[in-house]
Amino acid sequence: AQSVTQLGSHVSVSEGALVLLRCNYSSSVPPYLFWYVQYPNQGLQLLLKYTSAATLVKGINGFEAEFKKSETSFHLTKPSAHMSDAAEYFCAVSEPGNTGKLIFGQGTTLQVKP
Amino acid sequence: EPEVTQTPSHQVTQMGQEVILRCVPISNHLYFYWYRQILGQKVEFLVSFYNNEISEKSEIFDDQFSVERPDGSNFTLKIRSTKLEDSAMYFCASRPRTGQETQYFGPGTRLLVL
Repeated sequence: AQSVTQLGSHVSVSEGALVLLRCNYSSSVPPYLFWYVQYPNQGLQLLLKYTSAATLVKGINGFEAEFKKSETSFHLTKPSAHMSDAAEYFCAVSEPGNTGKLIFGQGTTLQVKP
Repeated sequence: EPEVTQTPSHQVTQMGQEVILRCVPISNHLYFYWYRQILGQKVEFLVSFYNNEISEKSEIFDDQFSVERPDGSNFTLKIRSTKLEDSAMYFCASRPRTGQETQYFGPGTRLLVL
């Protein structure tokens, strides 16, 4: 069965600092991996995805993530945090060729301090 | 840009009542999903729907739940007899076709069961 673990339910950074949100996955087959962002009172917006092409994936708003099979990780990074990045971030996994259902991690709330 | 829409945005109901949550997926998408997010918890998969039938459902999706695509545009989730523990945010999502793995989420319906 697939699963996702996000280390750290809350991460706090200063504006301009590096953002690192951790995600580890478990999957019996090569997975598809996603990062979604949820702003307060809004739905889920796709930040980026890995679907077996380049292991370093660039997304919107300056975010990127690297798929590391040996570490079963898909950590999300951004070089310089902006106040508008404050939101909840979800890592998710799906199994290629299946129904496409997403299995989500617990989420990480990112706080950006001025 | 096409969006997934959901109505209502908020619904309050009494325990034991039936509720129908409505979604309009993106036109020409073929795969449809419902997820829920209990306050403070992760997003959980409920059901996937393809070719006018359920393709997968989770343990949460018991006999009290049903889905329907009545008219080729709407996609509904019905809860027959609501329980207190059904209080959650319910998200609808759709994706275009096999090989296009990104799911597009609606803004959600917040259901409160009293």
